[in-house]
Amino acid sequence: DTAVSQTPKYLVTQMGNDKSIKCEQNLGHDTMYWYKQDSKKFLKIMFSYNNKELIINETVPNRFSPKSPDKAHLNLHINSLELGDSAVYFCASSQDPERAITYEQYFGPGTRLTVT
Amino acid sequence: GQSLEQPSEVTAVEGAIVQINCTYQTSGFYGLSWYQQHDGGAPTFLSYNALDGLEETGRFSSFLSRSDSYGYLLLQELQMKDSASYFCAVRPWGNQFYFGTGTSLTVIP
Repeated sequence: DTAVSQTPKYLVTQMGNDKSIKCEQNLGHDTMYWYKQDSKKFLKIMFSYNNKELIINETVPNRFSPKSPDKAHLNLHINSLELGDSAVYFCASSQDPERAITYEQYFGPGTRLTVT
Repeated sequence: GQSLEQPSEVTAVEGAIVQINCTYQTSGFYGLSWYQQHDGGAPTFLSYNALDGLEETGRFSSFLSRSDSYGYLLLQELQMKDSASYFCAVRPWGNQFYFGTGTSLTVIP
């Protein structure tokens, strides 16, 4: 069974469109994250959710909004897509870092978003 | 702010030992982690140092020195499959994680 899954794997869309990326984890983890990896492979945290509550909101444009219907899901909605949004987006999950020992995060396979 | 610097590229010979450094500027954090990422793949957890010193996991070892603001990942008996990008990461507070700039390791025959 896949621990952390994301859909779609590839997403090609035009500027100005609205799109969503879905993420699900079956590890029973308390915390989920969204990361953006740019063309230089730099990984930057965008959001984290703990027990359906937003804990951290990095300084990302408000066009990006995370939605968590339950503890196992954290979806990413992006409005009015721009060329600079092209990147690979990774979902991840972990035990609650406040209670975990190693802070090990499990990453999904990634979604490669291309905005044309 | 947080800054974790790594060498951008490292090349080593199969069977050899390689060390990937991570130097950081952060006021405090709970521990230093290391992740491996193959091209086209997702980051996968390798090791974690909560305390200063060396942690060993098979062919991989990781070291942390808070007084020197420095850590490293040591890969022994290099194999071709170890060619990948390696990232250090810290948790400064709450659920916030910062990743280093990443090191691309190329293992040559």
